[in-house]
Amino acid sequence: RKEVEQDPGPFNVPEGATVAFNCTYSNSASQSFFWYRQDCRKEPKLLMSVYSSGNEDGRFTAQLNRASQYISLLIRDSKLSDSATYLCVVNEGWGNQFYFGTGTSLTVIP
Amino acid sequence: DVKVTQSSRYLVKRTGEKVFLECVQDMDHENMFWYRQDPGLGLRLIYFSYDVKMKEKGDIPEGYSVSREKKERFSLILESASTNQTSMYLCASSPAGGNGEQYFGPGTRLTVT
Repeated sequence: RKEVEQDPGPFNVPEGATVAFNCTYSNSASQSFFWYRQDCRKEPKLLMSVYSSGNEDGRFTAQLNRASQYISLLIRDSKLSDSATYLCVVNEGWGNQFYFGTGTSLTVIP
Repeated sequence: DVKVTQSSRYLVKRTGEKVFLECVQDMDHENMFWYRQDPGLGLRLIYFSYDVKMKEKGDIPEGYSVSREKKERFSLILESASTNQTSMYLCASSPAGGNGEQYFGPGTRLTVT
C-alpha cells in the first residue's frame, strides 16, 4: 500500500476553469502536509503547506481532512502558467521522512 | 537566495562503473535527502541524513550508499551501476524538525548503458 496516493490525471482544462485535486494518505499519525509543483524537467518546488484550518493563497486553496485522511488543492481561474505536475507530500513527523504522491498532471488549454 | 546544487545535470555511465553524485546546500540545513524519480512511480527516497556522519535508509537503498562528512554536502554513491539505476536523481535539504519545506536541487539525469 502506498503512503500517499493521487489521481495521476491528466487533467486538461480550459483557461479560467476551476480544477480540484485530491490526495489520500495512509498513516493517520501524519503530521504535516504540502503541495509541491513540478514543471517539466525541473525540480519540485513548494506551492503551499496545508493546515488543518485550510489555507488560501490567491487562486489556490488547500484543505486537510484528517478524519478521512485526504488533502485537496483547488485552483480557481486557471492560467496557462498553472500547467505543471502537482505533488502531494506528507510528513509523518519522525525521522524527517517525507512521502510523495506520484503527482497529478495539469494542462491548461487556451 | 537559498540554493541546492548538484554536481552534474546529465551523466552517462557504463554498467559496473562506480558513480558519485554530489549535492551541496548553502542553507545550513540539518536534513539532506536523495530521491530518484521515475515515470509512474514518483519520487522515492533512497537515503536521508539528519546530521553529519548520520544516515538512514529510505525506501529503496539497495545498490546505493551515501556519505555526509560535512553538513553542507551529501554524496550518493552507486557502487556498481546497473541499467535499472537509470533515472533522475534529486537531492533535497530541509531544516530540522520535519515540518519545513524541502528545497530541491536541479536533478541529475543518469543513464547507465
